[in-house]
Amino acid sequence: AQSVTQPDIHITVSEGASLELRCNYSYGATPYLFWYVQSPGQGLQLLLKYFSGDTLVQGIKGFEAEFKRSQSSFNLRKPSVHWSDAAEYFCAVGFFKAAGNKLTFGGGTRVLVKP
Amino acid sequence: EAGVTQFPSHSVIEKGQTVTLRCDPISGHDNLYWYRRVMGKEIKFLLHFVKESKQDESGMPNNRFLAERTGGTYSTLKVQPAELEDSGVYFCASSLGTGRGYTFGSGTRLTVV
Repeated sequence: AQSVTQPDIHITVSEGASLELRCNYSYGATPYLFWYVQSPGQGLQLLLKYFSGDTLVQGIKGFEAEFKRSQSSFNLRKPSVHWSDAAEYFCAVGFFKAAGNKLTFGGGTRVLVKP
Repeated sequence: EAGVTQFPSHSVIEKGQTVTLRCDPISGHDNLYWYRRVMGKEIKFLLHFVKESKQDESGMPNNRFLAERTGGTYSTLKVQPAELEDSGVYFCASSLGTGRGYTFGSGTRLTVV
């Protein structure tokens, strides 16, 4: 069955430290890949996306993600975390075709930032 | 450009009552999607409209849920009668085409008591 896994439910990181969030997918082909963030009281905001080409993708708010086909992974990273990065992060995959383009989400990783 | 607007932002209703959620997509976006996240689980796809037509409703949980998009603009999602397990956050999203991702609204938090 197709699935998206985010192994870490919670991560606590100190402000200024680096952050890496893991995402693995299980699909027959390479899907389109996304990371979304949901801050408290906010909707889902797109951080970055991968469709093809360069496997290192830059996003907003200083985030980047690397697609590794051999590992079926699309991990999100940030070199130095700010307190405002405390939020829940979702990895998602999709297959876009004329008939539709629904996304399948991972379970989310909640990030807590210590001062 | 206004984003995807959902209301109400919160709704608390009793089991057996009816609730209607509304989504206003970004103007001109033909594609509109509904998703929901129930109690700590994954965000799950409910259905997809292209203009006023239901393109894919494979994620609708049962016939207590009715989605409409009259005129191809805003959409409503009605739950009738609501059950406790319907509690969660309901997200709407819209896109111009069928590729390249889409924009989500802030969600409606539904609590059924």
